[in-house]
Amino acid sequence: ETGVTQTPRHLVMGMTNKKSLKCEQHLGHNAMYWYKQSAKKPLELMFVYNFKEQTENNSVPSRFSPECPNSSHLFLHLHTLQPEDSALYLCASSPSGTSGIPSTDTQYFGPGTRLTVL
Amino acid sequence: AQSVTQLGSHVSVSEGALVLLRCNYSSSVPPYLFWYVQYPNQGLQLLLKYTSAATLVKGINGFEAEFKKSETSFHLTKPSAHMSDAAEYFCAVSGGDMRFGAGTRLTVKP
Repeated sequence: ETGVTQTPRHLVMGMTNKKSLKCEQHLGHNAMYWYKQSAKKPLELMFVYNFKEQTENNSVPSRFSPECPNSSHLFLHLHTLQPEDSALYLCASSPSGTSGIPSTDTQYFGPGTRLTVL
Repeated sequence: AQSVTQLGSHVSVSEGALVLLRCNYSSSVPPYLFWYVQYPNQGLQLLLKYTSAATLVKGINGFEAEFKKSETSFHLTKPSAHMSDAAEYFCAVSGGDMRFGAGTRLTVKP
């Protein structure tokens, strides 16, 4: 595998379910990101991890819980979601991250997980 | 704080015609500017990046963009559109805090 991979590619869940999204990067990068992409809206940055430490949480509801066990893997744990959380969730990585803020480096994106909340 | 505005959520051109996608930015510090492309069912892919080295930036697939500080613009152009250019294009600005525009969907007619 090369680049940034995300699993699953599609996920349908009920509002009471608990599920997790997985992201893996094979680029040797130190920073990883979760974005939410909704129709007709700009990409919304959700979380940033730099050297496995969370450096940004963009006022994301607690029903989204990130986890970064190492610099290659990033998870997004989901529980008691709402229908308005349905979106494409994109993971990205970049070579290095400035502490506390997303890097100005190029970000490399995975293909995303299309999430539908019923 | 930084922000970008992409003018036109949808642009349609004929194959072989000029492609012009508009982006205006706002930044309190010298910006880094990016254009990304997203093909259906894929993530975003970098087209080109401005880092103050040169105002005209050449990217992949024949695209280029010109940084104009006086106009706070970073428009994306391609002289001749190809069917394979049909995709969603995103402008982004970073002065340390990356912000994306809402995107412009490019349709190429045969």
